[in-house]
Amino acid sequence: GAVVSQHPSRVICKSGTSVKIECRSLDFQATTMFWYRQFPKKSLMLMATSNEGSKATYEQGVEKDKFLINHASLTLSTLTVTSAHPEDSSFYICSAPVPSSGRARVYEQYFGPGTRLTVT
Amino acid sequence: AQSVTQLGSHVSVSEGALVLLRCNYSSSVPPYLFWYVQYPNQGLQLLLKYTTGATLVKGINGFEAEFKKSETSFHLTKPSAHMSDAAEYFCAVRAGWGGSARQLTFGSGTQLTVLP
Repeated sequence: GAVVSQHPSRVICKSGTSVKIECRSLDFQATTMFWYRQFPKKSLMLMATSNEGSKATYEQGVEKDKFLINHASLTLSTLTVTSAHPEDSSFYICSAPVPSSGRARVYEQYFGPGTRLTVT
Repeated sequence: AQSVTQLGSHVSVSEGALVLLRCNYSSSVPPYLFWYVQYPNQGLQLLLKYTTGATLVKGINGFEAEFKKSETSFHLTKPSAHMSDAAEYFCAVRAGWGGSARQLTFGSGTQLTVLP
């Protein structure tokens, strides 16, 4: 199946600094990628939809200027947490939809392994 | 709008016992339903999916789920639990038509504990 990677898997940064997280589709092209945030023992919260070659679409309540998303190529989307604060500490997961074989308009989501961000 | 309800945030079973994780959905479009498993500090892995056709779907690791339209349910089962099944399980439904079909709406998750 399709493989999605994320880098780094873990990052610790100081408050006020910025952190970039990469999401790559390794064996397929992804015109769309999704960024999720997951709090401990909670479900995934969709933050934004990353679109190759155009602006990302943010969910309500997500600060665009704080969570910068760039989808510069068909295999790479990046999420930059700007001026990070301790409350931004979380598990960030990306995913890419892949058409399911043999079924029109049926997509399977392939998830990256996640990035654990800790802001001190 | 689509929504997913997972009854029971925590489920404990003994090793070898039946696993039953409940999922009910609401969807304004024909539902495509998914179960994912997440191990600690990892991403989500697809267990199985239902789109159309046979309502009993089989997935990986011995799991299966049955789509029941009349009950708007898609419960996940496994006849005999293994210690390695301990993880977080998420039920999800596609978010809609067209571009939204690429998105998923997730349930709140069920933590499965397997007791020796």
